[in-house]
Parts: sequence; structure tokens; C-alpha cells
Amino acid sequence: QLQLQESGSGLVKPSQTLSLSCAVSGGSISSAGRSWNWIRQPPGKGLEWIGYIYHSGSAYYNPSLKSRVTISIDRSKNQFSLKVNSVTAADTAVYYCAREEGRGFFDYWGQGTLVAVSS
Amino acid sequence: EIVLTQSPGTLSLSPGERATLSCRASQSVRTNFLAWYQQKPGQAPRLLIYGASTRATGIPDRFSGSGSGTDFTLTISRLEPEDFAVYYCQQYGSSPMYTFGQGTKLEIK
Repeated sequence: QLQLQESGSGLVKPSQTLSLSCAVSGGSISSAGRSWNWIRQPPGKGLEWIGYIYHSGSAYYNPSLKSRVTISIDRSKNQFSLKVNSVTAADTAVYYCAREEGRGFFDYWGQGTLVAVSS
Repeated sequence: EIVLTQSPGTLSLSPGERATLSCRASQSVRTNFLAWYQQKPGQAPRLLIYGASTRATGIPDRFSGSGSGTDFTLTISRLEPEDFAVYYCQQYGSSPMYTFGQGTKLEIK
């Protein structure tokens, strides 16, 4: 059974960089045809897709966040990571990592981690 | 960017009743790349339906999805107590880009 687990700082100061990692277990992050995604959810609000990365290292981002986001992959550790720079209070959210199965839907999700942006 | 609009925002029903949730897209969703998720408080979303009408593994058959193009529906035939949650539709479009609807909260009447 595939499992995803987010980790990282739960509190980030405004203008600084948010950094999270997602450890994948029970399967290989190098599986062909899958993408590894970050999705966030502000408190009490809906879901927003941030971006994804393939095992090859090719990454694609939501145009609304593209200028501030970087997703990277570490195949040796079977994990992928998210960085969001120049954060503001609007970046406060639960951040989820998720696998996209190859047909446009997310079949495995991490439990989510709350990141608060505050001084 | 394709915008998904879900209705109603809140649906109040009783256990045993039938629930019909709507998801309307601003443009045609390609090849029915439309999925539905259930989210309970403090939990990650759970995949229910993909390809507009295919149930995910382990999803009870009281959940069904239908629709094509711009209009999609999630139906829960007989509500069980554990079905009261927030439901999101999601599409995969060109760019590439994923978008979600704003959600429908299904609450106990």
C-alpha cells in the first residue's frame, strides 16, 4: 500500500521560504507515468493545485504560483519537495502531497501538514 | 483555465435519502477527466469517482457519477451516516492544469 508523508516547518515568517518534503513508501517514486503533486487548502476553504513533478525531474506549476514555487525530486530518498518563496499570510494552508495516477486524478494523498505564515 | 462550479453550496438531507451534487465546468472537460472526492474534517480528500463515472477501489456502489462535457453529477443513492462530508469535483485540463470546484457540504438535516 502506497503511503505519503509530509514533513517540514509548520511556521514560516512573512517574506521567507516555505519548505516541505513528502516521503513516499510502499512504492517507487520512479514509477513511469505517475506524477507527484502538491495541493494546498487554506483553513475553511477549498483545494488548490500547486504543481507536480515527474520522476524525470520535469515539473509543472499552477500559473498563479509559478513565479514563487519550486518542486524537486530525490530518487535516492524516494521523496519530493516543495519550496514557496516570499510567503505571505495568504500562503497559510494545509499542504498535501498526492500521487496522480496517470489519468488525471489523485489516488493517494498524504495526511497533510499545516503551515502558518506569521511573524 | 477551466472553472468548476459546484451546486448547491450546502445540501441538508437525512440518512436514507438520495443526494444529487452538481459540478458545472466553464469549458468542456477533455476526455471526461473529471473526478470526485470526499473530505471529512481533519482528513485528506478521498478519491470516489474518476473518469466521470468509474468508482475508485473500495468505494460502495451507492456512489455513482455521471455526465460529460460541461455538466457532471455525483449521486449517493441512500445516504449513510458516514457520507456526511464535503465533496469536491476536480478536472485535468491542458496547460497542464488541475482545478477543483469550491465544494458542496452535505450535512445532516
